[in-house]
Amino acid sequence: AQRVTQPEKLLSVFKGAPVELKCNYSYSGSPELFWYVQYSRQRLQLLLRHISRESIKGFTADLNKGETSFHLKKPFAQEEDSAMYYCALTLRTQGAQKLVFGQGTRLTINP
Amino acid sequence: NAGVTQTPKFRVLKTGQSMTLLCAQDMNHEYMYWYRQDPGMGLRLIHYSVGEGTTAKGEVPDGYNVSRLKKQNFLLGLESAAPSQTSVYFCASSSDSGRNRYTQYFGPGTRLTVL
Repeated sequence: AQRVTQPEKLLSVFKGAPVELKCNYSYSGSPELFWYVQYSRQRLQLLLRHISRESIKGFTADLNKGETSFHLKKPFAQEEDSAMYYCALTLRTQGAQKLVFGQGTRLTINP
Repeated sequence: NAGVTQTPKFRVLKTGQSMTLLCAQDMNHEYMYWYRQDPGMGLRLIHYSVGEGTTAKGEVPDGYNVSRLKKQNFLLGLESAAPSQTSVYFCASSSDSGRNRYTQYFGPGTRLTVL
């Protein structure tokens, strides 16, 4: 079954420290993965997608097919990074594209 | 260009009441989705649509119905609300073409409380 696991519900780091949000997936096909972010009382918005291989707001994520992981990393955390982060996997079935979300990780950056 | 909008933003219902949540998008997207967001459970797909006049069940469809009579609108209905449907509901849309193919764009959410 297709599944996305974010093992940490809560993650707290100090400003300026490195941060890594873990994401593991289970999928038999070729995965397409995303990270979405939700700032306090705002809508979810795309942070990055693995096929773009971009760095957004200093965040990067590399797809590791051997470890079935797509961890999100930033070398120096900033207070404005405090938010809820969701890892998501694309499923394409019956002519539709659906996202399977992980449970989310709430990141808090302490001053 | 408003993107994805949802109405209402908040609603309180009594058990057994019905209501409809409206989602509208102005990006000419083919796909539209309804999710519910609950603490510790992430977002779960309720229903989705691949085009005008078509709908399909997602992961948690029980107790909900949907309709997509126009390409830009996707309605989510609760016929007889239950306390278990207390949640934040998000609508999203995506396109199957272009640079941002399959990227889902989300609405601001509707916070529903069922007493």
